[in-house]
Amino acid sequence: NAGVTQTPKFRVLKTGQSMTLLCAQDMNHEYMYWYRQDPGMGLRLIHYSVGEGTTAKGEVPDGYNVSRLKKQNFLLGLESAAPSQTSVYFCASSYSAPSGVYNEQFFGPGTRLTVL
Amino acid sequence: RKEVEQDPGPFNVPEGATVAFNCTYSNSASQSFFWYRQDCRKEPKLLMSVYSSGNEDGRFTAQLNRASQYISLLIRDSKLSDSATYLCVVNIGGTDKLIFGTGTRLQVFP
Repeated sequence: NAGVTQTPKFRVLKTGQSMTLLCAQDMNHEYMYWYRQDPGMGLRLIHYSVGEGTTAKGEVPDGYNVSRLKKQNFLLGLESAAPSQTSVYFCASSYSAPSGVYNEQFFGPGTRLTVL
Repeated sequence: RKEVEQDPGPFNVPEGATVAFNCTYSNSASQSFFWYRQDCRKEPKLLMSVYSSGNEDGRFTAQLNRASQYISLLIRDSKLSDSATYLCVVNIGGTDKLIFGTGTRLQVFP
């Protein structure tokens, strides 16, 4: 049982390049989330999904796109990377909504992205 | 005003000490409350949920004060392994989103 995994762990991009971050979970969770964490800012929600084939915007969605074609995978795309997107990206999943009973969010180990 | 506010610390305490953190939230519609723990350069992990009546898990006690809109975390008999950043997390009722505080850093020394 791997839990939540993220690839890659580290990446350096040049401004304008594109990339996709992959999140995978093997816990059959319905809910998946992408966050970014910056010093002094706390975790901020980028996009989230409440089930296969659905996505929704979070607090800071600009410059990112997501897809949830399979229940176990949640992809985060950067079409044209900018230095302001330098951050640590965390994926999380949960069985139910935050207000539900099984609402613990399980996090992946993070992806450290630097945009030059 | 930030939606969730925490004292960033650091709180430097000796082993065996009792330490408490508070967290205030601004939205009265907040429904679910949590404390997560994050070790340096690691992912956050759920420490405990916070229930209206207060709850305890071993050395950890969490309390909720809806009238004053704050939650607290009390750690008794601190261990070196308790050194971490503690994140206050709130769910706004009717949404699928969590709001994370910036965290309170705890350093326990021998």
